[in-house]
Amino acid sequence: EPEVTQTPSHQVTQMGQEVILRCVPISNHLYFYWYRQILGQKVEFLVSFYNNEISEKSEIFDDQFSVERPDGSNFTLKIRSTKLEDSAMYFCASSVQAGSYGYTFGSGTRLTVV
Amino acid sequence: QKEVEQNSGPLSVPEGAIASLNCTYSDRGSQSFFWYRQYSGKSPELIMSIYSNGDKEDGRFTAQLNKASQYVSLLIRDSQPSDSATYLCAVRRTNAGKSTFGDGTTLTVKP
Repeated sequence: EPEVTQTPSHQVTQMGQEVILRCVPISNHLYFYWYRQILGQKVEFLVSFYNNEISEKSEIFDDQFSVERPDGSNFTLKIRSTKLEDSAMYFCASSVQAGSYGYTFGSGTRLTVV
Repeated sequence: QKEVEQNSGPLSVPEGAIASLNCTYSDRGSQSFFWYRQYSGKSPELIMSIYSNGDKEDGRFTAQLNKASQYVSLLIRDSQPSDSATYLCAVRRTNAGKSTFGDGTTLTVKP
């Protein structure tokens, strides 16, 4: 069964450092998302991406965050200057179409900011 | 008021019983509704989607939607210990937009 692949599985970084989280969505999917889940809390929307541009972003997704699809397969989330409160599990998700189609989530990247 | 509200849980049922999970949402413009299962330390996995009023069945799972009451539920028949997980309700307003998740309800199925 097709999978959404995320790397790395765990990243530890110092506060103020830049991190790039990587995702390879399912090849025929057109809609891409980043969500995060702080330990013990709910899954929170960060950003959606379609047709090589951001279609929607949340208040969490401020100027420190950016997304790219550099080569037609990878989908990256960059955090420019990490804060302690950015520590969370970051999930990439993709969907073949919009509407009533749900997401396929990747296995996640656990980001720990120290 | 939370955008998506679920049973506070945890919910415990014996093996073979029916587990009932409930979810209410505040945005009347919501169009699509989803149930995800999340095992501890894992990513959410889609188990059901529904967008029309009524029932939708898939194996042991039945999703029920009532847009007038802004209510969606998930029934799990013949519950198995492997169903023990946190169940996340998610709603989507627009076709390509974000899904908003509830806090989740943790289900334990006891052998």
